[in-house]
Amino acid sequence: RKEVEQDPGPFNVPEGATVAFNCTYSNSASQSFFWYRQDCRKEPKLLMSVYSSGNEDGRFTAQLNRASQYISLLIRDSKLSDSATYLCVVRATGTASKLTFGTGTRLQVTL
Amino acid sequence: EAQVTQNPRYLITVTGKKLTVTCSQNMNHEYMSWYRQDPGLGLRQIYYSMNVEVTDKGDVPEGYKVSRKEKRNFPLILESPSPNQTSLYFCASSLVVNRNSPLHFGNGTRLTVT
Repeated sequence: RKEVEQDPGPFNVPEGATVAFNCTYSNSASQSFFWYRQDCRKEPKLLMSVYSSGNEDGRFTAQLNRASQYISLLIRDSKLSDSATYLCVVRATGTASKLTFGTGTRLQVTL
Repeated sequence: EAQVTQNPRYLITVTGKKLTVTCSQNMNHEYMSWYRQDPGLGLRQIYYSMNVEVTDKGDVPEGYKVSRKEKRNFPLILESPSPNQTSLYFCASSLVVNRNSPLHFGNGTRLTVT
């Protein structure tokens, strides 16, 4: 089983739609969680950290479910510019240097 | 402008010809790391460095070397490249190694080994 698993997609949604991605992680000792965004052939960029109580940044909401070991990303009112690959990233306790990346979920927002 | 700079952006080489990919950051970050990205495998860590003169292996270090003689630079060295090292490489840095310190990535080096 992969340490961090994501549905590769693609998720094809119309502009204005709400879309959600999940990411599961296998290491119960994981302590830090992030969502990164990667545009085609470009570098990943931090979208948001994920906090235990859940957090929101504009149209983006991130949630953490420790019991079921998954994190989620909700995008409301999708824009064409949201089209990208979304990477789930997990850091485990005691391995301060080690970030494990999921393979990403591709989102395509269409007119 | 705060950034991580990698060079070159594109490199085509032949098997066995030593090469170096440079990485430099101007943010005084302590932590630096190299990743390779391959289809279906995601980003995998090659080597990382917690500070000057401190380097450690990541998940896929075979065939690679690194050095950290200065805080700002973290070159990736392929002594004898092979075709299975054809990949997209990213250098990244963060201020410190702690829970919420985000990674800043360079814009990537696409390497082809023939």
